[in-house]
Amino acid sequence: GAGVSQSPRYKVAKRGQDVALRCDPISGHVSLFWYQQALGQGPEFLTYFQNEAQLDKSGLPSDRFFAERPEGSVSTLKIQRTQQEDSAVYLCASSLVRGFYNEQFFGPGTRLTVL
Amino acid sequence: DAKTTQPNSMESNEEEPVHLPCNHSTISGTDYIHWYRQLPSQGPEYVIHGLTSNVNNRMASLAIAEDRKSSTLILHRATLRDAAVYYCILLNYGGATNKLIFGTGTLLAVQP
Repeated sequence: GAGVSQSPRYKVAKRGQDVALRCDPISGHVSLFWYQQALGQGPEFLTYFQNEAQLDKSGLPSDRFFAERPEGSVSTLKIQRTQQEDSAVYLCASSLVRGFYNEQFFGPGTRLTVL
Repeated sequence: DAKTTQPNSMESNEEEPVHLPCNHSTISGTDYIHWYRQLPSQGPEYVIHGLTSNVNNRMASLAIAEDRKSSTLILHRATLRDAAVYYCILLNYGGATNKLIFGTGTLLAVQP
């Protein structure tokens, strides 16, 4: 079946531009996570949704970062006024339920380069 | 959160077993040990997880020390496709989320 998809796969932005990154989770998956991965580092947690509710946004690095999942399915990560330090791969993951562990399925990521 | 320590890199030969170590001396009684791997230019993928007993699945085996302060991921016959970064992660299911806290992992190189 279809896995987690993300678009665009690559995004180049000029410093100061706003960007929107899309995640299509696996159908029926309740939990959705966003992670940021800088070059040579492991992924770092940004935010978590359970259905449409954003239950944890403790990893968002600044108020320029905003995520939404209005209908409990597709999610969008928006970065306003991009800075060079925002350059990274943004990974989305989904899992079936919370409460007991289900593996997280990751998308291929969106590579953001801010010039 | 309890931390894990892994070697930065390891090498293996194709079709030989690989033992990837992980130290987690501050693990709590309710922390599960998870392994994910990340192939080049891909998102991470789940490999295996366990609590106390050794675990086997089609991808790998997980050997957990009796005191749970260390564990070893075992790939029984490495293939070129197993070249990846392997992450050892502790996860406590009692948290509000099941967010994964990755370290820098072990970069496994497999030689033909």
